[in-house]
Amino acid sequence: AQTVTQSQPEMSVQEAETVTLSCTYDTSESDYYLFWYKQPPSRQMILVIRQEAYKQQNATENRFSVNFQKAAKSFSLKISDSQLGDAAMYFCAYRRRGSGYALNFGKGTSLLVTP
Amino acid sequence: NAGVMQNPRHLVRRRGQEARLRCSPMKGHSHVYWYRQLPEEGLKFMVYLQKENIIDESGMPKERFSAEFPKEGPSILRIQQVVRGDSAAYFCASSPGGDGNQPQHFGDGTRLSIL
Repeated sequence: AQTVTQSQPEMSVQEAETVTLSCTYDTSESDYYLFWYKQPPSRQMILVIRQEAYKQQNATENRFSVNFQKAAKSFSLKISDSQLGDAAMYFCAYRRRGSGYALNFGKGTSLLVTP
Repeated sequence: NAGVMQNPRHLVRRRGQEARLRCSPMKGHSHVYWYRQLPEEGLKFMVYLQKENIIDESGMPKERFSAEFPKEGPSILRIQQVVRGDSAAYFCASSPGGDGNQPQHFGDGTRLSIL
């Protein structure tokens, strides 16, 4: 079974600064997908960024980027120029490649953004 | 193009009653996933359905829980004889196909409270 570990229950960052959220996972598969989801207080689940394991290039979406280290099974999220609206729970998730596999989530990191 | 619609947003039941949670996938999506989020936890997979078929129910408790996705109408997650431990947020996600290359789009969830 695949497990996803987020070792930081809470993180804090000042507005305009950069913060990195950690995620490690365990799998015996060689091809899979990794995701970061954001859950604000409204409890929506919003896809932030996605990485395909066979791609060596790190994914980037505006202020959000990842550091994907396949050998180390690490998938951290970097948020640059943090904004108050970035405050939320952030969940790392793994999905096996192929048909019909569900997302496997970590327990989440609560990000606080201070003015 | 409406997103994934879940209703009700909040549902209160007394112990022993039945709870019915509905999920209408995005237009053109025929794959539905149900997840449960307990307080302070990440989302846990429950069941994966396609139209008229349950594909994977490995995450669903063996008793009291059932799910369906009929040819017409929304997907339904049904919990019979609810207990306090069923209190959680239940999320539905949909995708156009089952491949991991197609991201899952989440609804806003149903928060179930058991008195």
